[in-house]
Amino acid sequence: EAQVTQNPRYLITVTGKKLTVTCSQNMNHEYMSWYRQDPGLGLRQIYYSMNVEVTDKGDVPEGYKVSRKEKRNFPLILESPSPNQTSLYFCASSSRYQETQYFGPGTRLLVL
Amino acid sequence: AQTVTQSQPEMSVQEAETVTLSCTYDTSESDYYLFWYKQPPSRQMILVIRQEAYKQQNATENRFSVNFQKAAKSFSLKISDSQLGDAAMYFCASKMQDAGNMLTFGGGTRLMVKP
Repeated sequence: EAQVTQNPRYLITVTGKKLTVTCSQNMNHEYMSWYRQDPGLGLRQIYYSMNVEVTDKGDVPEGYKVSRKEKRNFPLILESPSPNQTSLYFCASSSRYQETQYFGPGTRLLVL
Repeated sequence: AQTVTQSQPEMSVQEAETVTLSCTYDTSESDYYLFWYKQPPSRQMILVIRQEAYKQQNATENRFSVNFQKAAKSFSLKISDSQLGDAAMYFCASKMQDAGNMLTFGGGTRLMVKP
């Protein structure tokens, strides 16, 4: 089944404790993105990647890191999480030949 | 930069009736794509419908259709014969032709369906 998976689905952590949210897709898509969703603001792009070893900042990159060492994986790293990073996070992927993005199930993060 | 605006934070509709969700966008590009995504309580993002800006014909998907007004930069979603399962958050989004995978989203409209 074609899908985007994210882990963990739920995470509670404390300020300053490094964490990684994994994202994997099995559709051989070139493009991958991370978004955060906050009430009233919709989804905002954090980082995106157009291919292996190619990443770039989205609209709200501060406090986040990403890497794209393999085509299928695109982990999101919070080196020192802060309470303002409490949010719902989505990973998405798409083919360079199609415009439709496929979203993962979301990761709910709470930073205390 | 693109901006997408959904001016209706909440809407409600009676089951079996029709409802229209509004979306306006701002772009200087001529080639772009527009989308409506549905987010039910499960929080999964589900593509409802998409429209290519170069196509004049409005997209339709079963009970869902759009009214795409390019000059007015308007992209509304019409849901006909509303069902209880249509209750969800709906997000309008845009993407420029050469923007890789960067989607710009509106703030969302919460749709409630009354039985």
